[in-house]
Amino acid sequence: DAKTTQPNSMESNEEEPVHLPCNHSTISGTDYIHWYRQLPSQGPEYVIHGLTSNVNNRMASLAIAEDRKSSTLILHRATLRDAAVYYCILRDVRRGGGSNYKLTFGKGTLLTVNP
Amino acid sequence: DAGVIQSPRHEVTEMGQEVTLRCKPISGHNSLFWYRQTMMRGLELLIYFNNNVPIDDSGMPEDRFSAKMPNASFSTLKIQPSEPRDSAVYFCATQRGARDNEQFFGPGTRLTVL
Repeated sequence: DAKTTQPNSMESNEEEPVHLPCNHSTISGTDYIHWYRQLPSQGPEYVIHGLTSNVNNRMASLAIAEDRKSSTLILHRATLRDAAVYYCILRDVRRGGGSNYKLTFGKGTLLTVNP
Repeated sequence: DAGVIQSPRHEVTEMGQEVTLRCKPISGHNSLFWYRQTMMRGLELLIYFNNNVPIDDSGMPEDRFSAKMPNASFSTLKIQPSEPRDSAVYFCATQRGARDNEQFFGPGTRLTVL
């Protein structure tokens, strides 16, 4: 499985933008880039995903490098509720078979938001 | 929709006892996953069902663990006999179809084996 590398932790101030980086230098052409986050004492929740183009949704934006070897999750205005562990995951959902539907979680980035 | 429902939310048991964790997927979701989270190993997939059929159980740690999905609205994860090293948070997650991009996680069951 292609692996991702994320910083262990990051800190931000409330109402400021946050850029969470992820390196995935061994990404394959059919790997989608997924982001999930896990708030304290909760299960992970989906944030966003993309393949090649930058993506926006109500929660965040995903900026994908042209060579796809890295990506950045952008929270435009961090709130205290955004404090969580953020996971960057590669997943190929095109092929059949069980293992391609795994979400292989690394250690993620612990985001602390200061009031 | 109530989301993925797991029960119990907390379970404390003694070593050697049987433990059964339950999951009710979101209605209409055909894929179901059981994960385990510990401080040492992080989040790891135990087993994956598609249309009630186990597709990938390579993450099930040993024969003490078993999982079933008798119908589209119910799944169980059983540990028999339980051991202290099984203490963890167990999450059930579902997604609409095998190729969907978004998995929905339940709140988890925190298991403590004394």
